[in-house]
Amino acid sequence: GAGVSQTPSNKVTEKGKYVELRCDPISGHTALYWYRQSLGQGPEFLIYFQGTGAADDSGLPNDRFFAVRPEGSVSTLKIQRTERGDSAVYLCASSLIGGSTDTQYFGPGTRLTVL
Amino acid sequence: TQLLEQSPQFLSIQEGENLTVYCNSSSVFSSLQWYRQEPGEGPVLLVTVVTGGEVKKLKRLTFQFGDARKDSSLHITAAQPGDTGLYLCAGDNYGQNFVFGPGTRLSVLP
Repeated sequence: GAGVSQTPSNKVTEKGKYVELRCDPISGHTALYWYRQSLGQGPEFLIYFQGTGAADDSGLPNDRFFAVRPEGSVSTLKIQRTERGDSAVYLCASSLIGGSTDTQYFGPGTRLTVL
Repeated sequence: TQLLEQSPQFLSIQEGENLTVYCNSSSVFSSLQWYRQEPGEGPVLLVTVVTGGEVKKLKRLTFQFGDARKDSSLHITAAQPGDTGLYLCAGDNYGQNFVFGPGTRLSVLP
């Protein structure tokens, strides 16, 4: 079956611009996670959705970052006034019910480069 | 904030050798997961360990969770080039999300 998909696969933007990154989770998965992975590091948690609501957004670094999941399926991560330090691979994962014992399935990521 | 450390950071070995990589923290985790990540892809879950002292085997891979649930190890027997990748451990952060370590980058040479 189809896994988690993310679009675009690569995004190059200029400092100060606005970007949107999209995640299509596995059908039927209620939990959705966004992570950011910088070069040479492990994924860093950003936000966790349970259905349409953000159950935990403690990892969002500042108010330039925002994510939505209006129908409990597709999610969009939005970054305003991008900075060079935002350059990283943004990973999305979904799981059936969420929680620490449920398997997270990751997408291939979106590589964001801010010039 | 719970932090995870992994060692070694890099490991390059010959096909057929055995190896162990480590994941350590000063914090207690209710569960810990190991992932393998290949270039251009997301991490893929290998195993979840929940009980202190637990040992799980997955073919040539053996995972152990420390008795105090603060550390874990991954042992690979007779490594193969297909084992090459970034090995990440991730600890349960109070049941809401996972904290990932920086990873061990393994290269198995034929």
